Amino acid sequence: QSALTQPASVSGSPGQSITISCTGTSSDVGDYNYVSWYQQHPGKAPKLMIYDVSNRPSGVSNRFSGSKSGNTASLTISGLQAEDEADYYCSSYTSGTTVAFGGGTKLTVL
Amino acid sequence: QLQLQESGPGLVKPSETLSLTCTVSGGSISSSSYYWGWIRQPPGKGLEWIGIIYYSGSTYYNPSLKSRVTISVDTSKNQFSLKLNSVTAADTAVYYCARQTGGGAYLIDYWGQGTLVTVSS
Repeated sequence: QSALTQPASVSGSPGQSITISCTGTSSDVGDYNYVSWYQQHPGKAPKLMIYDVSNRPSGVSNRFSGSKSGNTASLTISGLQAEDEADYYCSSYTSGTTVAFGGGTKLTVL
Repeated sequence: QLQLQESGPGLVKPSETLSLTCTVSGGSISSSSYYWGWIRQPPGKGLEWIGIIYYSGSTYYNPSLKSRVTISVDTSKNQFSLKLNSVTAADTAVYYCARQTGGGAYLIDYWGQGTLVTVSS
């Protein structure tokens, strides 16, 4: 059982926007602005997409954005493209473990 | 460009010790800004954080694995290593080494390509 809760799957059509939620507790997501999101294509290592809730690393498309409200963080992908189809994981700092991951969300581009 | 590369046996027998090494190139493992960590992913499942080490040797482990895990560093070789003892089939996974930074060193900004370790007799 993962420390952070994500939906198992989401889907959207090309050009649409989707949002993936990541729900934690007041000991992790709710207490720190240390939330990151990773994209993982099959057979590949995860890739950092968002850090510190809403910051994008250099080279990541501005179609990816992050936010947080209370104990829930969110990743929004706008203008969906076929190459966005992947698994997405959220992660948060937690005082108990240092790093907690969500269970992952499979994004399908219809 | 920083690169991390895992190496070690791909098959380990139950009850034995899993040992992996991560070689860092394109940057110094002795940088004061970074920790160096291990993450694993069982086939078809999600990510699990194992632990991190600072170049000085300070370590932090996932409480669920702490009793079986040891992470060490060799700054002269720009490498760090993972040992997981008393392995079972549940430890079968792709093991990633990574660089961690940010608040509480939570942020994983560089990952190795990963190596599959199978626990089987």
